[in-house]
Amino acid sequence: EVQLVESGGLLVQPGGSLRLSCAASGITLSSHWMHWVRQAPGKGLEWVAHINQDETVKDYVDSVKGRFTISRDDANNSLHLQMSGLRSEDTAVYYCGGGWHFDSWGQGTLVTVSS
Amino acid sequence: QAVVTQEPSLTVSPGGTVTLTCGSSTGPVTSGHYPFWLQQKPGQAPRTLIWHTGNKHSWTPARFSGSLVGDKAALTLSGAQPEDEAAYFCLLAFNGRWVFGGGTKVTVL
Repeated sequence: EVQLVESGGLLVQPGGSLRLSCAASGITLSSHWMHWVRQAPGKGLEWVAHINQDETVKDYVDSVKGRFTISRDDANNSLHLQMSGLRSEDTAVYYCGGGWHFDSWGQGTLVTVSS
Repeated sequence: QAVVTQEPSLTVSPGGTVTLTCGSSTGPVTSGHYPFWLQQKPGQAPRTLIWHTGNKHSWTPARFSGSLVGDKAALTLSGAQPEDEAAYFCLLAFNGRWVFGGGTKVTVL
């Protein structure tokens, strides 16, 4: 059974930094495109970033480019999202997802950016 | 960045049929956009129902089907059940990036 478990969500002040993690079991992350997707309170889903199998492709939605970095730790089979320069509009539940045709999703971790 | 459009809300009677659509601001939606459809119930993570226009995952109920209709991607629910009440999001690929539609809230009433 595939499990993706996100962690690292916190209350952080504007301008601050945060690192989200996604621990995987039942799936080898390095065999798949993996993504971060977020959902602001009461809003829809927004694709944030993805990384390919050999890490040669990392791309981001324009609103986070230069502030967020996606990475993967193959030894620990985990996915990460380093976030800096956080803004109030980054407040959201962050999901990791991917696998074979987006067949796997975590339960999300809440990031709140507020003073 | 492309804008993906969906109906904000639709209502369907139990046992009835409803079609949700997914359009693009850049032109017709094609198989080259690799359309996905995801279902999300309140308080839950999204779950992917349809991949690449019309392919189903093993957990996708047979009453859901995906297609291209005119210039849009479409998700048809035939024989709606109370448990199908949820938000449905389409997801399209644009030049290596992904864009979600705003979602359609489906009410079974």
